[in-house]
Amino acid sequence: GAGVSQTPSNKVTEKGKYVELRCDPISGHTALYWYRQSLGQGPEFLIYFQGTGAADDSGLPNDRFFAVRPEGSVSTLKIQRTERGDSAVYLCASSLTGILSTEAFFGQGTRLTVV
Amino acid sequence: GENVEQHPSTLSVQEGDSAVIKCTYSDSASNYFPWYKQELGKRPQLIIDIRSNVGEKKDQRIAVTLNKTAKHFSLHITETQPEDSAVYFCAASIGAAGNKLTFGGGTRVLVKP
Repeated sequence: GAGVSQTPSNKVTEKGKYVELRCDPISGHTALYWYRQSLGQGPEFLIYFQGTGAADDSGLPNDRFFAVRPEGSVSTLKIQRTERGDSAVYLCASSLTGILSTEAFFGQGTRLTVV
Repeated sequence: GENVEQHPSTLSVQEGDSAVIKCTYSDSASNYFPWYKQELGKRPQLIIDIRSNVGEKKDQRIAVTLNKTAKHFSLHITETQPEDSAVYFCAASIGAAGNKLTFGGGTRVLVKP
């Protein structure tokens, strides 16, 4: 596709449930990022992949959050035992390379609501 | 880690006037400073960026200035139009750590016709 694609666009889940959020980056982009954006705030860094490996996961808030990118393309953000405080828009971005600051293109995001 | 402060949080201007948004950052190693525009319910989109080896960059009605010594950078929009109304975010990143962006809190800009 032409841009970064995220599915689903909206997800409502009950507290304590497990969710998976998917990101399809721009073809050929080796770097992939997950951010979380709460209402009225700027995006907050979660994790960065260079290829298949997580180069920086320092933004993951706790061990309930995990992300994978097994083939260096599609990535899945996984949240276990969801809490109401996890409600936010989860944004994925990709860039051609993670080195020397190339432009990061964002997806539309997945709006997660934990009830 | 990096901390980015952005001011003002809201900005209302008359169509045709200029708008200025200011950001400060804490990590002197930061070397890349993009600005994103986000319309309601849509994805952040890059509008301009500047690297630390440049003091100013301009693209039509948009310009960004960078003062490395003071660790602040600013976005200038001239001849504002109603379609400039959106939330604008500044960000900073450290090249050695990839494109990991630290964002400011955002500025909601309203251009009144």
